[in-house]
Amino acid sequence: DADVTQTPRNRITKTGKRIMLECSQTKGHDRMYWYRQDPGLGLRLIYYSFDVKDINKGEISDGYSVSRQAQAKFSLSLESAIPNQTALYFCATSDPSDRGSGELFFGEGSRLTVL
Amino acid sequence: KQEVTQIPAALSVPEGENLVLNCSFTDSAIYNLQWFRQDPGKGLTSLLLIQSSQREQTSGRLNASLDKSSGRSTLYIAASQPGDSATYLCAVISGTYKYIFGTGTRLKVLA
Repeated sequence: DADVTQTPRNRITKTGKRIMLECSQTKGHDRMYWYRQDPGLGLRLIYYSFDVKDINKGEISDGYSVSRQAQAKFSLSLESAIPNQTALYFCATSDPSDRGSGELFFGEGSRLTVL
Repeated sequence: KQEVTQIPAALSVPEGENLVLNCSFTDSAIYNLQWFRQDPGKGLTSLLLIQSSQREQTSGRLNASLDKSSGRSTLYIAASQPGDSATYLCAVISGTYKYIFGTGTRLKVLA
């Protein structure tokens, strides 16, 4: 089984619908991240969480929200999806870079298409 | 502001060739640097992580070096194979949560 699991892997939805992407990890890491990847724009950070009670906005958080349900679970929600949120979404985990290696581990990705 | 550049953007080589992928960064104050491989439509697989106190790391046919003073890292792939075809990304770990990614080098190894 993968260390970082994302569901769903693929989703097609319509404008205005609420969507939730889920992520669970077995790495035992406190830190979790949500990124989106767009062709030509690379990976951009949406939200990150250092522990269950510590959630922070990344560089492109508008239109997104997150929930850290447990150390191992971090979900991303699009409250009202719009077409320019069509992208490949990645969850990632790490240990602290200032007290560990900071090595980042990614899930397989969730491809979201908003029509 | 830290910027990470990968050149070339795309590379095509015949099977068996040794090759070097480049990653440049503008601010030498980094914790670590990580190299990833990404197959089309798939997640990023960690290849090597070099801590700021290290000069290089090796895994099988891969060798990554780090020169903080010049803001450069290279990923050396020995005896390339068609299965090495993928996009290779580097990421600089600049802070406690800041991972700055390059846009990648798309590698194609021809049989």
